[in-house]
Amino acid sequence: DAKTTQPNSMESNEEEPVHLPCNHSTISGTDYIHWYRQLPSQGPEYVIHGLTSNVNNRMASLAIAEDRKSSTLILHRATLRDAAVYYCILRVSGSARQLTFGSGTQLTVLP
Amino acid sequence: NAGVTQTPKFRILKIGQSMTLQCTQDMNHNYMYWYRQDPGMGLKLIYYSVGAGITDKGEVPNGYNVSRSTTEDFPLRLELAAPSQTSVYFCASSSTRQGSTEKLFFGSGTQLSVL
Repeated sequence: DAKTTQPNSMESNEEEPVHLPCNHSTISGTDYIHWYRQLPSQGPEYVIHGLTSNVNNRMASLAIAEDRKSSTLILHRATLRDAAVYYCILRVSGSARQLTFGSGTQLTVLP
Repeated sequence: NAGVTQTPKFRILKIGQSMTLQCTQDMNHNYMYWYRQDPGMGLKLIYYSVGAGITDKGEVPNGYNVSRSTTEDFPLRLELAAPSQTSVYFCASSSTRQGSTEKLFFGSGTQLSVL
């Protein structure tokens, strides 16, 4: 499976935008980019996914580089409830095996 | 919506004991998974299933067994508990209908300690 690289930790102030980066230089043309987050003492939850174009949903935006070797998860206004570990994952097209989780980015939101 | 339900939430085992972690989902998903998460680490896939009667090994299957007799249930069995199996276990499910875009739904986890 293709690997992803994320910073171990990031900090943000409450109500400010947060940009969480992810590098995936070995991505293949049909791999989808998925983001999940894990709140303290909970299971991971889906945030967003994309293939080539930028994507928006009620939780976040996903910006994908033109060469697809990197992507950025954007939280437009961080709240204290957004403090979590964020995982960037490549979903191998056509594979029944599920997502491989790295160690993710621990996001701390400061009041 | 119940989603993915795991029981128990916490359990302490003695070395050599056995137990079954239960997982059930009410979303009619074909795919189900078991992950473990050690402190400060990401999730590692133990076993997965693409449908009733079909299971396959993931990244770390040693010491575990699974079965999938129904679409809804996917229990994980520990036969001879070892301290190395102390971890948080997550069950997840997903639909196959959307190909590579399908998202996983996770349970709330089982905290297992083997002493």
